[in-house]
Amino acid sequence: GEDVEQSLFLSVREGDSSVINCTYTDSSSTYLYWYKQEPGAGLQLLTYIFSNMDMKQDQRLTVLLNKKDKHLSLRIADTQTGDSAIYFCAEKEGGKLIFGQGTELSVKP
Amino acid sequence: DVKVTQSSRYLVKRTGEKVFLECVQDMDHENMFWYRQDPGLGLRLIYFSYDVKMKEKGDIPEGYSVSREKKERFSLILESASTNQTSMYLCASSLGETGSNIQYFGAGTRLSVL
Repeated sequence: GEDVEQSLFLSVREGDSSVINCTYTDSSSTYLYWYKQEPGAGLQLLTYIFSNMDMKQDQRLTVLLNKKDKHLSLRIADTQTGDSAIYFCAEKEGGKLIFGQGTELSVKP
Repeated sequence: DVKVTQSSRYLVKRTGEKVFLECVQDMDHENMFWYRQDPGLGLRLIYFSYDVKMKEKGDIPEGYSVSREKKERFSLILESASTNQTSMYLCASSLGETGSNIQYFGAGTRLSVL
């Protein structure tokens, strides 16, 4: 089946940029997503990108898509302590989403 | 705003009990999903449904069943709970298969089976 891979942990200092990386296997995926999960909560959609785009920017968030390498990244500029959470990337497969393991972002003051 | 409501935030059950987890969405979405979340394993799909009275097995359906009698409600049933079903359970819904197919999640139910 399709697979989505992420590293499990990332630690940054407040004010720095965070880059969370993801690789996926389905080259026919039309949409790719980033979700955020705060402690004890469900998943909240942060942003998504259509496969014909290379980049999408939304305030402090920048998504980069490299279709050739099947690589997706999420950059958070000026990372704040409130950005501490688990970040999941996902790819669309028919009517379903395939999720990565999640990257736990820890922001130190 | 889309709202997906899971009936319980925390549940404690005993081994062998029958457990019902309820999920309701208020946006007339066609699709509904049940996942379990375990540390380091991400979200794993248990069952999903594309329509009323319709269900499909996900990646880990063993030990679970589901019911979708009404469009807005999707229930997950643990016929005989076991300790290895202790986990966080997440329900989600989405509009349909076409387009961006964004899934909207409930807050989750943390189930402990003793």
